[in-house]
Amino acid sequence: DSGVTQTPKHLITATGQRVTLRCSPRSGDLSVYWYQQSLDQGLQFLIQYYNGEERAKGNILERFSAQQFPDLHSELNLSSLELGDSALYFCASSPDGGRIYEQYFGPGTRLTVT
Amino acid sequence: AQKITQTQPGMFVQEKEAVTLDCTYDTSDPSYGLFWYKQPSSGEMIFLIYQGSYDQQNATEGRYSLNFQKARKSANLVISASQLGDSAMYFCAMSLEANTGGFKTIFGAGTRLFVKA
Repeated sequence: DSGVTQTPKHLITATGQRVTLRCSPRSGDLSVYWYQQSLDQGLQFLIQYYNGEERAKGNILERFSAQQFPDLHSELNLSSLELGDSALYFCASSPDGGRIYEQYFGPGTRLTVT
Repeated sequence: AQKITQTQPGMFVQEKEAVTLDCTYDTSDPSYGLFWYKQPSSGEMIFLIYQGSYDQQNATEGRYSLNFQKARKSANLVISASQLGDSAMYFCAMSLEANTGGFKTIFGAGTRLFVKA
């Protein structure tokens, strides 16, 4: 158990809908990262937040947005969903200082868009 | 371009033998982190080992060691004394500092390891 929690574990929704994925980082970790893992694209970095502020952006679509709250949990919002958004979405957190490149992943949320 | 290449889509190893999973990377940044993750069939991503670009010694974590050859831009994972539970997908990844102060991570396509009894 990495200490990172994600809810829900599974999500099935229809095209055009909007969903919110939730992540709680490990205790004390200020950074949260979001990733998408799909069969055709592999593991793709989406976005990083640090202590409430966006710090790095990857291949995140405009239909997707994220935020990190004062209690450090983070949410990834996916809207106008398409079939191709079906994927495993991971959240990861990393410690502040020291081995800052290390990231610990949550169990993931499997999103199925029908 | 910043990239991670894993050239072995699948590997077989006999139980109790050692195996090397290849990883090469490409970046012009002087500072970066390299790591390996294991993803069993259950889907979770398990952190295995980390190597900083300025670390002089190769990283080791139990049965895992990272063979870091900076000049060749390679970061191969060596698993000693393979166990049946090592059968999984293994991802090599590189984390780089973004110009906004954050970190972007690039993953390779992965190598699926099969351990034979």
